[in-house]
Amino acid sequence: QKEVEQNSGPLSVPEGAIASLNCTYSDRGSQSFFWYRQYSGKSPELIMSIYSNGDKEDGRFTAQLNKASQYVSLLIRDSQPSDSATYLCAVNDRRDDMRFGAGTRLTVKP
Amino acid sequence: GAVVSQHPSRVICKSGTSVKIECRSLDFQATTMFWYRQFPKQSLMLMATSNEGSKATYEQGVEKDKFLINHASLTLSTLTVTSAHPEDSSFYICSANRALIAAADTQYFGPGTRLTVL
Repeated sequence: QKEVEQNSGPLSVPEGAIASLNCTYSDRGSQSFFWYRQYSGKSPELIMSIYSNGDKEDGRFTAQLNKASQYVSLLIRDSQPSDSATYLCAVNDRRDDMRFGAGTRLTVKP
Repeated sequence: GAVVSQHPSRVICKSGTSVKIECRSLDFQATTMFWYRQFPKQSLMLMATSNEGSKATYEQGVEKDKFLINHASLTLSTLTVTSAHPEDSSFYICSANRALIAAADTQYFGPGTRLTVL
């Protein structure tokens, strides 16, 4: 089992819709969770970090964490074509090592 | 903000030569810096973790004698690819943790260095 799993996609949504990106992790002792966005040919940029169960909102982005289910998600409201990118889920495991998922490629169609 | 720079952004070299990549945290001190490699259409692969003033910790399968890492200060880490070969062609990305900040485990990424070995 991979330490951090994401659906590779591609996920395609129309402009203005909600994009939902999901991630599961295997280490129950993980404490820190991150979502990064990576445009093609560029390095990742941090979008959200979340540490506690529940929702965390920042603009059009909402991260959701459920430690009991070992599940973290990212919702993008009012999706824009500029949101088209690969979204990487990252988890700091109990050893404080950051592990990345393979990424989900999102396409927002005008 | 937390800005991390890398230099050079692109490098093309002949097989057998060595290439040095610099990673700098511009507006903060980084307790830890990380080096990643990313092949096309794949996720980031952690190569090594370096702490200022100590030897780097390499991931399994990464040759420490081939990928030399020096973390000379809290704002500078270098990765030297020695005797580069075409299979070393990749996108190399560094990241840094901020020191003395509550969310110190957040990693901030540099823009990456595209290495092409002919």
